[in-house]
Amino acid sequence: TQLLEQSPQFLSIQEGENLTVYCNSSSVFSSLQWYRQEPGEGPVLLVTVVTGGEVKKLKRLTFQFGDARKDSSLHITAAQPGDTGLYLCAGQLPNSNSGYALNFGKGTSLLVTP
Amino acid sequence: DAEITQSPRHKITETGRQVTLACHQTWNHNNMFWYRQDLGHGLRLIHYSYGVQDTNKGEVSDGYSVSRSNTEDLPLTLESAASSQTSVYFCASSDASGGYNEQFFGPGTRLTVL
Repeated sequence: TQLLEQSPQFLSIQEGENLTVYCNSSSVFSSLQWYRQEPGEGPVLLVTVVTGGEVKKLKRLTFQFGDARKDSSLHITAAQPGDTGLYLCAGQLPNSNSGYALNFGKGTSLLVTP
Repeated sequence: DAEITQSPRHKITETGRQVTLACHQTWNHNNMFWYRQDLGHGLRLIHYSYGVQDTNKGEVSDGYSVSRSNTEDLPLTLESAASSQTSVYFCASSDASGGYNEQFFGPGTRLTVL
């Protein structure tokens, strides 16, 4: 069972456009993380959000955690070819039997063309 | 600089053979994880460890085993490789000191079982 659903699955845009990627669940998470993965490499952590309603900015990337801590979004302003990659959200369930293990979404594959 | 490495990066083996994938981290993290990544499934947790001599089964543990004899290493063994285990395998580590389990991933091992 996939706890986290990401949309869209694929996204192809032109350089300079804005985009939003979504990560949704019916479960409440104690924290949620976003990773970016480039071809042939492992995922790299971008941000962790922990408080409902929290907004974090990382240069042109804005991350938001839903008020109920069940969903999150990633907004990229003025996308650049260097933003190309697979964006993964991952959540940690509170009081989980697996403790620190993360539940990953399937990812959004983003292609930004010049 | 601290890092997490995996070896080999690529491996081709035959059905029925035993295969061991190595994972070594110099972060001195207590938590270590093994995932497999497949198209359409995202990252799925195989096994994880919260310290020396501690191992736990993840979502897709059948056919895999791990052992943790020191802090730095968590080798993953496929007892009798099957074609269904063809995948890209990622090792990760974290210290969860802030309670949020921010994970650092290795570069991955691409395993093909013929």
